[in-house]
Amino acid sequence: GAGVSQSPSNKVTEKGKDVELRCDPISGHTALYWYRQRLGQGLEFLIYFQGNSAPDKSGLPSDRFSAERTGESVSTLTIQRTQQEDSAVYLCASSFSPGPNYGYTFGSGTRLTVV
Amino acid sequence: AQSVTQLDSHVSVSEGTPVLLRCNYSSSYSPSLFWYVQHPNKGLQLLLKYTSAATLVKGINGFEAEFKKSETSFHLTKPSAHMSDAAEYFCVVTISGGSYIPTFGRGTSLIVHP
Repeated sequence: GAGVSQSPSNKVTEKGKDVELRCDPISGHTALYWYRQRLGQGLEFLIYFQGNSAPDKSGLPSDRFSAERTGESVSTLTIQRTQQEDSAVYLCASSFSPGPNYGYTFGSGTRLTVV
Repeated sequence: AQSVTQLDSHVSVSEGTPVLLRCNYSSSYSPSLFWYVQHPNKGLQLLLKYTSAATLVKGINGFEAEFKKSETSFHLTKPSAHMSDAAEYFCVVTISGGSYIPTFGRGTSLIVHP
């Protein structure tokens, strides 16, 4: 597609439920990144995919968080047993190739609210 | 390791006056640096990037930034602020030879008064 697409755009869930967030990168982009942005704060790195492998998942805050990617396409971020502190905007970005020369294109994010 | 520090959490200017948003970085390798803008309820948009070519980089909407290695800085400037410039601005660093994971600053909120 023309841009990075994330769904849903908004998600309200009850504490303890599992949620799945989806990211469709730009076609042909091999690198994909997930970030979390809490209210009024910067972007916190979660996980990076090169193709369908995840060379760096150091940012995942706990074992309740997991992510996968199918080939060089869709990625899903799953949060199990959600907690109120998981409330944030989850942003996905993709890049043609790892490295700064190609830049990073961001989706509009999924706003997650845990009540 | 790499990091980036945005020195001001908020900057307030009057419309028509210059804008200066400050950013300092720390990097073990040659850095690449970016500025992104985030308007309320909108996605992140690339303003400009430095990737070891010219040290003065021109971006969209009249913004520019200068890479100063001696000062480890990459400050964002604009000669004359417009009301539509009000947004959150993020300075970002990646390093060549590393994992290329962009590291974001905490952001600077630009407020433009009429």
